[in-house]
Amino acid sequence: KQEVTQIPAALSVPEGENLVLNCSFTDSAIYNLQWFRQDPGKGLTSLLLIQSSQREQTSGRLNASLDKSSGRSTLYIAASQPGDSATYLCAVTQNKLVFGAGTILRVKS
Amino acid sequence: DVKVTQSSRYLVKRTGEKVFLECVQDMDHENMFWYRQDPGLGLRLIYFSYDVKMKEKGDIPEGYSVSREKKERFSLILESASTNQTSMYLCASRGTGPSNYGYTFGSGTRLTVV
Repeated sequence: KQEVTQIPAALSVPEGENLVLNCSFTDSAIYNLQWFRQDPGKGLTSLLLIQSSQREQTSGRLNASLDKSSGRSTLYIAASQPGDSATYLCAVTQNKLVFGAGTILRVKS
Repeated sequence: DVKVTQSSRYLVKRTGEKVFLECVQDMDHENMFWYRQDPGLGLRLIYFSYDVKMKEKGDIPEGYSVSREKKERFSLILESASTNQTSMYLCASRGTGPSNYGYTFGSGTRLTVV
């Protein structure tokens, strides 16, 4: 059974810092990996999708990498801002989407 | 951009009521999903559908049913609402084919059963 783990569970950083969120999964036979952002009481917003054949994807200040063989992905956020404060969820796709528990990020101004 | 629209942001229903949660997507996606999200339990898959009139049970289907009469619409039905169904409900869709592997989620429906 696929299990997805996200570390750390919570992170508090000052504005401007670069940071890394980690995601690991136990079964490397995935179709793709997707990073989402969720604001309190809201739905999920897709940030980046990495196909299983890809190594990384970039969007603005966000960069996500995928190492399928080791079962790991990282989400790098450059020059963090208070507006980045949210919960970040990693999810892998096999025959269904399996989520990690999320990392709660707080960026202090 | 794909849009997934959930008809209600907040709902309050009484125990025993039949509840309909509606979800509509505008990108002709074949696959649609219903999840519930609870603190400490994360997102759990209730039901999904690969095509019109097709449905498959997810991890926690008990107490729920679904309907997919049209490709763009996927409804979640609580046959007789109970307080343990108080939760955030999230709908998602996904296409098939090389460029459509990502999931798009709606903004969620916060359901309270009293």
